[in-house]
Amino acid sequence: AQSVTQLGSHVSVSEGALVLLRCNYSSSVPPYLFWYVQYPNQGLQLLLKYTTGATLVKGINGFEAEFKKSETSFHLTKPSAHMSDAAEYFCAVSDLAGGGNKLTFGTGTQLKVEL
Amino acid sequence: KAGVTQTPRYLIKTRGQQVTLSCSPISGHRSVSWYQQTPGQGLQFLFEYFSETQRNKGNFPGRFSGRQFSNSRSEMNVSTLELGDSALYLCASSLPGQFYNEQFFGPGTRLTVL
Repeated sequence: AQSVTQLGSHVSVSEGALVLLRCNYSSSVPPYLFWYVQYPNQGLQLLLKYTTGATLVKGINGFEAEFKKSETSFHLTKPSAHMSDAAEYFCAVSDLAGGGNKLTFGTGTQLKVEL
Repeated sequence: KAGVTQTPRYLIKTRGQQVTLSCSPISGHRSVSWYQQTPGQGLQFLFEYFSETQRNKGNFPGRFSGRQFSNSRSEMNVSTLELGDSALYLCASSLPGQFYNEQFFGPGTRLTVL
């Protein structure tokens, strides 16, 4: 079974500082990996995804993530945090072995951005 | 293009009752997945429907069921509600295909069981 571990349930950064949210995965097959963001009282919005090809993936709102197979990691970064980035972030892996669209999510990281 | 819509947005029920939640996917999307989100268990996959057939199922009791109609709209039903069923229920739709396609999430239905 596939799984995802997000280190740090709460991360606090200053506005303008680097954002680094950590995600490690476990998968017996090449994974499809995703980062989603959730704002209060809203659904999930896809930030970026890794399927195949280039290991550095760029997403929306200035976020990017790098797939590192040797470290089984897919950490999310943004060079400069903005107040509007405050939200909960979820890393997820797709289970293709069973066919279809099942996503397994990490427990989430709440990002706080301070002035 | 309209996004995924879920109705109702908020629902309050009492233990033992049953509830039906509705999800209308993005036009052209034929796959609909359901997820339960709780503070304790996080986001958990319930089931996926594709072309009116359940294609994947998560590890939930039989009280949780779903269906999909010919227009791809989906409903999920929870019978004999328990306090622990209080959660945000998210629906996601995606294009048809054998392999993974990006899922677009709706705003969710917040169910409170008293």
